[in-house]
Amino acid sequence: QKEVEQDPGPLSVPEGAIVSLNCTYSNSAFQYFMWYRQYSRKGPELLMYTYSSGNKEDGRFTAQVDKSSKYISLFIRDSQPSDSATYLCAMSANSGNTPLVFGKGTRLSVIA
Amino acid sequence: GAVVSQHPSWVICKSGTSVKIECRSLDFQATTMFWYRQFPKQSLMLMATSNEGSKATYEQGVEKDKFLINHASLTLSTLTVTSAHPEDSSFYICSARGGGHWGYTFGSGTRLTVV
Repeated sequence: QKEVEQDPGPLSVPEGAIVSLNCTYSNSAFQYFMWYRQYSRKGPELLMYTYSSGNKEDGRFTAQVDKSSKYISLFIRDSQPSDSATYLCAMSANSGNTPLVFGKGTRLSVIA
Repeated sequence: GAVVSQHPSWVICKSGTSVKIECRSLDFQATTMFWYRQFPKQSLMLMATSNEGSKATYEQGVEKDKFLINHASLTLSTLTVTSAHPEDSSFYICSARGGGHWGYTFGSGTRLTVV
C-alpha cells in the first residue's frame, strides 16, 4: 500500500458544480496536509494547508482533514473553467525541512 | 508571499552536454531546497534534498554524479544535469519552505529536452 493514495481521474464536471477531491494515507504520523494546484507545464501552486484535523476555508476552497479515518478532502465550490488543472495532495509528519509525500494528483476539467 | 524563481523555464541541449538549472528563493531564506522530477501525467518524484553549505542527500536510484546539486547560499540552489542523454528529458522542479508559512513553495519548473 502506498503512503498516499489519490484517484488520478480524470474528473470532468460542468461549470458551477461542487468538486470533491480526496486522498487517503496510511502513515498516522502525518500532521501537516497541503493541497497544490498544477497547471500544465507549470510548477505546483500551494492552495491550502492545514494542521491536524479540522476544516479550513479560503474563498471557494475548503480543505478537510479527518485523521481518525486518514482521509483528506478538498472541495471547490462554484467551479470555473480556470480551475481545470491537476490537484495534488501532500503531507508530512513534521514542520521541519523534510520532503513532502505526494499523491499522484487528480486531473480536473471544468467544462463551460 | 513566498516566491521561488526557477530558470530556465525551458531548455534544449545536445546529448553529452551539461545543463544547469537555478532555483532562487526571492523573499525568504531557504536552508533546504528540494529537487523533483516529473514525467508527463505523473506525480512529482523527489530526486534530492539540497542543504545550504553541505552535501545534498539523494534519493535511492538517483545518480549523484549525474545530477550535481550545489546549495552555496541561503537563496540559491543549482541542479546540473551532466552528460545529458535523451532519457534525462523531463520536467524538473525545485521547492523550498519558508516565507511566513510552513507550506512548501515550488518554482515554475524547467522543461529539459535532450536531443
